[in-house]
Amino acid sequence: GAGVSQSPSNKVTEKGKDVELRCDPISGHTALYWYRQSLGQGLEFLIYFQGNSAPDKSGLPSDRFSAERTGGSVSTLTIQRTQQEDSAVYLCASSSDRDRSLYEQYFGPGTRLTVT
Amino acid sequence: QKEVEQNSGPLSVPEGAIASLNCTYSDRGSQSFFWYRQYSGKSPELIMFIYSNGDKEDGRFTAQLNKASQYVSLLIRDSQPSDSATYLCASNTGFQKLVFGTGTRLLVSP
Repeated sequence: GAGVSQSPSNKVTEKGKDVELRCDPISGHTALYWYRQSLGQGLEFLIYFQGNSAPDKSGLPSDRFSAERTGGSVSTLTIQRTQQEDSAVYLCASSSDRDRSLYEQYFGPGTRLTVT
Repeated sequence: QKEVEQNSGPLSVPEGAIASLNCTYSDRGSQSFFWYRQYSGKSPELIMFIYSNGDKEDGRFTAQLNKASQYVSLLIRDSQPSDSATYLCASNTGFQKLVFGTGTRLLVSP
């Protein structure tokens, strides 16, 4: 079946502009996660959505970052007034709650964001 | 102290050898553990998960978990140059959010 998809694959934007990144999770997966990975660094958790519950926004680095998930499926991560330090690969993952002890996450290909 | 720690490497092994990758975690509430492989420029790919003490084998890969000592390891038998990648260890405490280590870079030389 189809995996997690993300768009765009690459985005170059000027400092101060807003950007929107999209994630389409695996069909039937109830949980969706956003991470970012800076060059040579580990994965930094940003936010996750589980069904209709309130999202866990504890990883968002500033109020310039926001995310929504419409209809329990597609999610959009929005970064307002982008800064150069926002340059990173933004990864989306999804998981099923089929087995609550596992929660293995499957990642999309990522969006490489470059802020000039 | 980071919640999940890994040696950044690189770990260099010759082709055909066993590669041993280690990970320690600080949260005793961690319930399950995951190993991801990440090739340069690509996204992480799930290799294995483990949640019971002991060994779990899948092909050339064996995951080992020791909750008393709070460590997880991944053994790769008959290492191939195509195994060269960064291996990420992750844990969860039952609340779905995974905590990732920074990864160990593995180099398998022909």
